[in-house]
Amino acid sequence: AQKITQTQPGMFVQEKEAVTLDCTYDTSDPSYGLFWYKQPSSGEMIFLIYQGSYDQQNATEGRYSLNFQKARKSANLVISASQLGDSAMYFCAMREYNQGGKLIFGQGTELSVKP
Amino acid sequence: DAGVIQSPRHEVTEMGQEVTLRCKPISGHNSLFWYRQTMMRGLELLIYFNNNVPIDDSGMPEDRFSAKMPNASFSTLKIQPSEPRDSAVYFCASSKVAARSTDTQYFGPGTRLTVL
Repeated sequence: AQKITQTQPGMFVQEKEAVTLDCTYDTSDPSYGLFWYKQPSSGEMIFLIYQGSYDQQNATEGRYSLNFQKARKSANLVISASQLGDSAMYFCAMREYNQGGKLIFGQGTELSVKP
Repeated sequence: DAGVIQSPRHEVTEMGQEVTLRCKPISGHNSLFWYRQTMMRGLELLIYFNNNVPIDDSGMPEDRFSAKMPNASFSTLKIQPSEPRDSAVYFCASSKVAARSTDTQYFGPGTRLTVL
């Protein structure tokens, strides 16, 4: 079974609009972390935002926020006021703390921002 | 501060040759991870070290792959002999603590390996 599922292979958004990238996860570990990374066409992996399973509030980092719905096991990334430079692949990842340090990645969503 | 450093950035080699990828983690980080990215399999962990000790190598594809971390500031991933199916981008990442921590993994720029 997939541990991390990103159901949107590709998405388009108009510049300056908000966009939500979906991520659902599957774990029985009560202690876990959820991460989002951005991979532009240049190839590097850029950390965006983190949400811990015990965090009471949704994480926010500038224009990025994480819509964490624990009961539904979803951790959607919201990008507000999209910019052309946001065009990239976005990966959701999970770390199960009882399983050690490794990250399990989803297949990614390719976001294209239209001018 | 310098991020994770990987070398070479690009490597083209012929099947059967030995390939060595190198990584310098962020200073002060005590966990180091090697990931591989392919179109077919996405991003997958190969091996990770905590305080220079290999903790989980279950992702290493086969005996042709080996990884070492002789000290806190250097790690290598070696493929011998290389095969065309090893062609991929290999990422090194580091974090401050591996177990029971929120510490984020920071990735290097990757090494794009092509095996002809």
